[in-house]
Amino acid sequence: AQKVTQAQTEISVVEKEDVTLDCVYETRDTTYYLFWYKQPPSGELVFLIRRNSFDEQNEISGRYSWNFQKSTSSFNFTITASQVVDSAVYFCALRGRMDSSYKLIFGSGTRLLVRP
Amino acid sequence: DGGITQSPKYLFRKEGQNVTLSCEQNLNHDAMYWYRQDPGQGLRLIYYSQIVNDFQKGDIAEGYSVSREKKESFPLTVTSAQKNPTAFYLCASSHTGASLNTEAFFGQGTRLTVV
Repeated sequence: AQKVTQAQTEISVVEKEDVTLDCVYETRDTTYYLFWYKQPPSGELVFLIRRNSFDEQNEISGRYSWNFQKSTSSFNFTITASQVVDSAVYFCALRGRMDSSYKLIFGSGTRLLVRP
Repeated sequence: DGGITQSPKYLFRKEGQNVTLSCEQNLNHDAMYWYRQDPGQGLRLIYYSQIVNDFQKGDIAEGYSVSREKKESFPLTVTSAQKNPTAFYLCASSHTGASLNTEAFFGQGTRLTVV
């Protein structure tokens, strides 16, 4: 079965602090993709990044960075020098070929509150 | 601009009524999806469609129905059989679901409340 676990329900930090959002996944597929989405208060999910199962290089985009470790089935997301505008719910998601359905499976999300 | 449009943004339903949520996309995507989001929970898949005139049940399809008569449109009907329909509904689309590396694009959602 495919599953995504985001154990942190809510995180509160003060502006300029670094924060890491954890994501652990389960899949039997050997080929799969992992995604991170941001959901601001407006409700729409905004795509942030995708990573395939064969590429374990870390990625950095501005203040955002992602750490993919296949050995621990984790795809963690770090925001450096957090800002109030980073306050949102963040979702990790997995897509594999399970049952040929190619469904996008989401974790339960982590609500990040950045206080001024 | 290309994107996904959901309407209405807010919807109120009386007990026992069927309501239809609209989802239109002009991204030329083959695959479309409906998700339900409850407070403190992740997104749960209701139905998805990978091609016109074909759709499959997701994890929580009971009490819902869909149609896919046009590539651009994937309306969701919440029937009276859905016992707890109050939730936030998100529509998404992507290039064919068989392309694992394609991200899904989401609409702004419809908040449905039973009154």
